[in-house]
Amino acid sequence: KQEVTQIPAALSVPEGENLVLNCSFTDSAIYNLQWFRQDPGKGLTSLLLIQSSQREQTSGRLNASLDKSSGRSTLYIAASQPGDSATYLCAVTRAAGNKLTFGGGTRVLVKP
Amino acid sequence: SAVISQKPSRDICQRGTSLTIQCQVDSQVTMMFWYRQQPGQSLTLIATANQGSEATYESGFVIDKFPISRPNLTFSTLTVSNMSPEDSSIYLCSGNRGGTDTQYFGPGTRLTVL
Repeated sequence: KQEVTQIPAALSVPEGENLVLNCSFTDSAIYNLQWFRQDPGKGLTSLLLIQSSQREQTSGRLNASLDKSSGRSTLYIAASQPGDSATYLCAVTRAAGNKLTFGGGTRVLVKP
Repeated sequence: SAVISQKPSRDICQRGTSLTIQCQVDSQVTMMFWYRQQPGQSLTLIATANQGSEATYESGFVIDKFPISRPNLTFSTLTVSNMSPEDSSIYLCSGNRGGTDTQYFGPGTRLTVL
């Protein structure tokens, strides 16, 4: 059974620092990995999707890496801003269009 | 990006009653998923809903408690039956719109059971 872990559970940084969020999964037989952002009381916004054959994906200040063999992904957010404060979730799937298995999330606070 | 809407956005219900949550997608989706997010927790899959067949439930979730309908490729409903305070959660639907691999989520339905 796939298990996804995110460490740390919470993170507080001053504005301008780079954020590093970690995600690990126990079964390397994944199809893709997705990073989401969730604001309090809201739904999920997809940030980045990495296919199992890819090593990284970039969008603006966000960069996500994937090491499938070791079961790890890292989300980097450069030059953090207070607006980046949210919970970040990673999730993996075994096949195209299939269900997601989520990590517990990392709650991020960026202090002005 | 996909547009997935849910109704209601929130509700406060009495113990023992039932609530039906609607999920509408702006384009056809083969599989739709229903998740539950309990307070302070991550998302847990309740069931996968395919058109024309019964939903597939995850361990710990049963059809009598969470009946699901999927009448067409753009719409699904989840009913939370005989509610108790333990059912207080955010319920979210999702799907892979347009054949892409990205899974999009609705805004969620925040349910409080008194």
